[in-house]
Order: sequence, then C-alpha cells, then structure tokens
Amino acid sequence: AQSVAQPEDQVNVAEGNPLTVKCTYSVSGNPYLFWYVQYPNRGLQFLLKYITGDNLVKGSYGFEAEFNKSQTSFHLKKPSALVSDSALYFCAVKDDYKLSFGAGTTVTVRA
Amino acid sequence: GAGVSQSPSNKVTEKGKDVELRCDPISGHTALYWYRQSLGQGLEFLIYFQGNSAPDKSGLPSDRFSAERTGGSVSTLTIQRTQQEDSAVYLCASSFGSDTIYFGEGSWLTVV
Repeated sequence: AQSVAQPEDQVNVAEGNPLTVKCTYSVSGNPYLFWYVQYPNRGLQFLLKYITGDNLVKGSYGFEAEFNKSQTSFHLKKPSALVSDSALYFCAVKDDYKLSFGAGTTVTVRA
Repeated sequence: GAGVSQSPSNKVTEKGKDVELRCDPISGHTALYWYRQSLGQGLEFLIYFQGNSAPDKSGLPSDRFSAERTGGSVSTLTIQRTQQEDSAVYLCASSFGSDTIYFGEGSWLTVV
C-alpha cells in the first residue's frame, strides 16, 4: 500500500523566514503526491500536486514542493512565510483512486 | 456551485439518534469520497463512489454507517444510532476521473 509520513507534528517560524514542511513517501511504482492545507474550522484546500515531469512543483499562495526520488521525499516550501500561512498541512499520496494522508503538520508563523 | 457543498455545516445530536449528512459535488465530477477527521485519528477514508456505485466501502467503521449517491451527483452519509465516538468532521470530496480531488468545508458532528 502507498503511504506518506510527516515527521514533524509542529513547525514554528518567524514571518519572512523560509518555511519547510517535510513529507516522505513509500510507494510501489510512480507516486502521485499532493499537499493540502486546512485553515482553522475549514475544509481541506488543494495546494499542489506531483504527477510526473519537473521535480519542482509550484502551487497556490506562493508554495512549492520538491520531489526527490532518491530521498523519497516531497517537502513543501515557501521562501518567505506569512502569519496567514499558519494552518494544518497534509501530505497525501494517491493509492489507485483514493488519497492516503499523513498525520498533518501544524505550522505557526509568528509575527 | 463552484465547489463541493456540504450540509449541515454543524450538527449537534443526542446519542442514539440518526443523522444524515449531505454532499453536493462539483458539477460533472464522477468520483465522490467521504472522509472522517477526528482528534487522534487523522483523516480516515470512509467510502468511494464512481457514479452511483460504491466499489470501495472498506472504510465505513460499522454497519451503523451507510451512504448512497443518486443521479451521479448528490450523496448522503447516514449514521444510525449515533455514539459519542462518532463525533468528528465528515469531509466530502469529488474529482473528475483520476484528476485532483477537491474537498468541501465539512460537516462538524457532535454527539452529546
């Protein structure tokens, strides 16, 4: 079965600093990887996905993610974090037709 | 509408009562999913529809849970004889074929 892991429960950064949220994957075959964000008391919002092609994927709100096959990682990054980026972030892998999610990482950006 | 629509957004019910949660997917989306999000359990897959058929019901936690989809569109998740452990956010999602899966805002269920 396909799976992802998010090794950090929480990430704290200062506004204006780079933000990285880590995700590693375990799949057979080619991985279809996704990042979603959940703001307080809201549903999940799609940020970006990797299907094939360029290893650097650009998404919504200035986020990007780097697919690294040798390290089996798909880390989410933002060059300059905003207080409004504070939220719960989920990495996910598509297993046939459905998504399997990591446990989530809570990001807090302090002013 | 433009996105996945869920109702009610919030529901408080007494233990033992039945509840129905509704999902209206993005127009034209053939695939529909229900997930559950609860503290300590993360995001759990419940059921997958392709059209009106449910080829994967493997995530439904007990026979108190059922779901249907009609007209290849609206879906209803029904929980019978609710228990306190059913308290969670129930998220509906849809996609066109194998494309990106989009989620609704969720139905927040509290069983008291």
